[in-house]
Amino acid sequence: QVQLVESGGGLVKPGGSLRLSCAASGFTFSDYYMSWIRQAPGKGLEWVSYISSTSSSYTNYADSVKGRFTISRDNAKNSLDLQMNSLRAEDTAVYYCARVAEGGAFDIWGQGTMVTVSS
Amino acid sequence: EIVLTQSPGTLSLSPGERATLSCRASQSVSSSYLAWYQQKPGQAPRLLIYGASRRATGIPDRFSGSGSGTDFTLTISRLEPEDFAVYYCQQYGSSPFTFGPGTKVDIK
Repeated sequence: QVQLVESGGGLVKPGGSLRLSCAASGFTFSDYYMSWIRQAPGKGLEWVSYISSTSSSYTNYADSVKGRFTISRDNAKNSLDLQMNSLRAEDTAVYYCARVAEGGAFDIWGQGTMVTVSS
Repeated sequence: EIVLTQSPGTLSLSPGERATLSCRASQSVSSSYLAWYQQKPGQAPRLLIYGASRRATGIPDRFSGSGSGTDFTLTISRLEPEDFAVYYCQQYGSSPFTFGPGTKVDIK
């Protein structure tokens, strides 16, 4: 079945780095844009970044993470990554990877991985 | 940035009742690129509606979306016990792709 599974979350100190991964299965990964969305504890949803489907990989970021986070993908491995540098307390959240449907909405979501930035 | 406002913040209803949730955008959402998601505690969001009015795969027909421009509505015709959750609207017509703050539908 269509599935996204995130990994790589954990506890990191302010200023540190973390790399999240998302493994996709059950669909042709290379056909779809992919995105990361996060949710701080007890808060709403915040779009973080997306990447286009092709090897040219156009990317886009929320202002809150621009210059600190980098999204990438490996279509041969059906995987999506998010490299997070210079982490701040306000980056603490559950991070979801999501498939971008043809129309642009997020139609498939992973279960999320928790990132905690704290000293 | 398009700011989405949802109302009410909380909607207290009984099973079988009709729920009407509102989402208002600070500027027009291009091509009705407006989606609705349902989220239950401890779970990832689930896409219900996209393109303002199109039901996603597997979504029951008691869920319907309407609206255009800056005003959108999600209607649940008759609430089932599994519908009590938080609902978010989201626009994906212009970057950054913003979400509303959510409407919690709880049991009266």
